[in-house]
Order: sequence, then structure tokens, then C-alpha cells
Amino acid sequence: NAGVTQTPKFRILKIGQSMTLQCAQDMNHNYMYWYRQDPGMGLKLIYYSVGAGITDKGEVPNGYNVSRSTTEDFPLRLELAAPSQTSVYFCASSLDRTYEQYFGPGTRLTVT
Amino acid sequence: GQSLEQPSEVTAVEGAIVQINCTYQTSGFYGLSWYQQHDGGAPTFLSYNGLDGLEETGRFSSFLSRSDSYGYLLLQELQMKDSASYFCAVRDSGGYQKVTFGTGTKLQVIP
Repeated sequence: NAGVTQTPKFRILKIGQSMTLQCAQDMNHNYMYWYRQDPGMGLKLIYYSVGAGITDKGEVPNGYNVSRSTTEDFPLRLELAAPSQTSVYFCASSLDRTYEQYFGPGTRLTVT
Repeated sequence: GQSLEQPSEVTAVEGAIVQINCTYQTSGFYGLSWYQQHDGGAPTFLSYNGLDGLEETGRFSSFLSRSDSYGYLLLQELQMKDSASYFCAVRDSGGYQKVTFGTGTKLQVIP
């Protein structure tokens, strides 16, 4: 199993550009999450999904959108990138309402 | 909402024992988890407490007191590779049981 994979690993965006961060898992997990982590800080939940077709906002959803058309994939869309979105983005998954989340390697995004 | 407090930094000597505390305030509580994150890496799950008491996994133990809204992670026989950030995370009791992470404790193990 590859676990949770994320692409790209690094990206530099100009202000106002858009992009999609890809996330996929091959563990047949129902729950998937997107977090952002600013330097020296904890993880903040952006969006989460409890199954295909079901998504909901987390703590910091503004400026982002998600979709979940399949169990495996959970892409995160950034529209009109802003410097405040410079961060490391982690995707995670869990089997169900369980306590253990599996994290992808992260995407390091810089907006200038 | 949820809020969690952890010390920002802890330094300990190789071979020693260190305790990282976590206090939380939540509107609903289901359990407390601990994650480890090395610099530049992704968080990895360490332990979970759903009930009061001590859970032991090798050199790591985690404790929870629901009445005190308090938990801790205990690391024994510290090794240099234990230098990392440690996050406590609260699972709320809402329908989807979202997880909220603390800001993390950076542990430095010195020789």
C-alpha cells in the first residue's frame, strides 16, 4: 500500500493564481481531511469528508474548496491565491470515526 | 469550540524520562490522541486515550483525566531520535467527531 499520497511536493504560486492540491489514499478509508500547518504551529483543519459526495468545512475553509467524487481522491482547490495561504498542506485519512489518522507527506506552498 | 494548551518547548537528556502535558477546553469530548512530527515530516500517530487512565505502548505512555480535562505523554529511555514535535489532539463528540490539534511541544533530546 502506498498509503496517503500528495502531489505536488512543492509549489510556488503568484498572487491571484489558482491550483489544485491532489490527495489520494489506497486504504479504502472513508474519512479524509485537509490541514494546513504554518511554521511552528499546529495543524488547522480546512475541510474534511466522511465519504464520497460528502464534505464539510473545518476551522479555516475560506479561500479553499474541495470535492470528493471517489473514496480514493480528495483534491483541495485554491482560488485566487494570497500570501496568507503560504503554508504546508497535509492530507490525512482514517478508516472511520476512529482516532488514528494517516498523513500524507505534505505539500509546501509559497504564494508571492 | 475547542482549545488545547501544551508547553512550546521541552529539553531532556538522553536516557531520561520526560512528560509533555496537555490541557483542553472543549464543547464536547470523545478522546485525546498524541502525534509525533519530525522536522520536515508528516505527523504520525502515537497513542489514544478514550477513557481515564494510562495507556502504554513500548517506551511511550499516555494518560488521561477527563474530570481534569488533562492528559500527558510520557516518554521513557529517551533517545536522540525522539527529538521532534509532539501534538495532542482532541476528538469532539459531535456527529463527525472532528479532531482539533494543539500547537505542539518541541522536544529536544541532548546527550
